[in-house]
Amino acid sequence: DAMVIQNPRYQVTQFGKPVTLSCSQTLNHNVMYWYQQKSSQAPKLLFHYYDKDFNNEADTPDNFQSRRPNTSFCFLDIRSPGLGDAAMYLCATSKDPLRPQHFGDGTRLSIL
Amino acid sequence: AQSVTQLDSQVPVFEEAPVELRCNYSSSVSVYLFWYVQYPNQGLQLLLKYLSGSTLVKGINGFEAEFNKSQTSFHLRKPSVHISDTAEYFCAVSGAGGTSYGKLTFGQGTILTVHP
Repeated sequence: DAMVIQNPRYQVTQFGKPVTLSCSQTLNHNVMYWYQQKSSQAPKLLFHYYDKDFNNEADTPDNFQSRRPNTSFCFLDIRSPGLGDAAMYLCATSKDPLRPQHFGDGTRLSIL
Repeated sequence: AQSVTQLDSQVPVFEEAPVELRCNYSSSVSVYLFWYVQYPNQGLQLLLKYLSGSTLVKGINGFEAEFNKSQTSFHLRKPSVHISDTAEYFCAVSGAGGTSYGKLTFGQGTILTVHP
């Protein structure tokens, strides 16, 4: 009964080839977040949606985009992945910004 | 602005021994505090949270934490650990207002290794 589902769990792409990561939720939460977690580091917030309102962190590279077509789904698009973008990407949801966040199991992205 | 410092990057401990993982935070606004656990190749799982009220909060798997406002700390404790507690633990703070409203800032993590 997974509540935040990320697909795929592992993704390999080529340098410069666009890639899309997927997140879906069954919690009907209003807020969806994307984090980047590099090896042995803390998760770093890239952006989040509060309903349809998109909030980008100031230091998120332009290479990273996101879409939320409906309440249940959110996508992370990396337009031209570089070697430095290899990381675990975590999706999380919360009912509102002050409630605890529920995380998916992540997608580990490798760049060849 | 807010920040979180986890004072130990690695904590080795023997099974059934007590453990404390230390966390200090700084923030210019009121905060909510969280501890998350991450097992290898998995997402983060909420252990416990402090939103308001009693400063001693109890979480899952026998963990508890105490919010100390004067020392800006939120240390995590367990009186007797199991092998299965081996994981990485993240302390996180969320601002209750200002530019950090609702945004989680994580500490660098503490790897807890429980030895038999």
